[in-house]
Amino acid sequence: GAVVSQHPSWVICKSGTSVKIECRSLDFQATTMFWYRQFPKQSLMLMATSNEGSKATYEQGVEKDKFLINHASLTLSTLTVTSAHPEDSSFYICSARPKLAALYEQYFGPGTRLTVT
Amino acid sequence: AQTVTQSQPEMSVQEAETVTLSCTYDTSESDYYLFWYKQPPSRQMILVIRQEAYKQQNATENRFSVNFQKAAKSFSLKISDSQLGDAAMYFCAFNSGYALNFGKGTSLLVTP
Repeated sequence: GAVVSQHPSWVICKSGTSVKIECRSLDFQATTMFWYRQFPKQSLMLMATSNEGSKATYEQGVEKDKFLINHASLTLSTLTVTSAHPEDSSFYICSARPKLAALYEQYFGPGTRLTVT
Repeated sequence: AQTVTQSQPEMSVQEAETVTLSCTYDTSESDYYLFWYKQPPSRQMILVIRQEAYKQQNATENRFSVNFQKAAKSFSLKISDSQLGDAAMYFCAFNSGYALNFGKGTSLLVTP
């Protein structure tokens, strides 16, 4: 149980275009989802927290107009990178906290590799 | 704000031997959780072990155990009988009820 999927696993897009990444909890309802970014050989950095039905909370330094997060249902959150540039190339990982779960409990998706050319 | 520090960018261990990865953290919270995550080349985050701050007993999961020193704010991971499959990045992480706060990671190499 507690499986989280991400789609696509790898995407290449041209500079200036937008790309959407999906994060789904497959066998549980997730009231909270987290989005992390990981540059090569670096750690995971929290970008934003999304709660179902409400606006996402962005970490300091993350452009909310560039990284649009939508958590429209209890099983799906999306991250849209708008007007992507090469510096946005990174590995994006989501995690999901089940409904009624302990605050420390969260499950990670397999990640999405974004390459902007 | 909480900070998590892993001072060993790389570690190496021979197969079947024991290795200890270090982690220190800084927080003013009294109630929190500490974790070790493994990230193999696939980049899937895998939970290795969890420690609740209110528990004095160190957590153990098969070959993995921690040395949790709350006063010293230290949380090290010991891997016994190391296996080739243990080779990965290991991240120490802190959670006080919000998102996870990760250290910079330690790359573990396991040699035959």
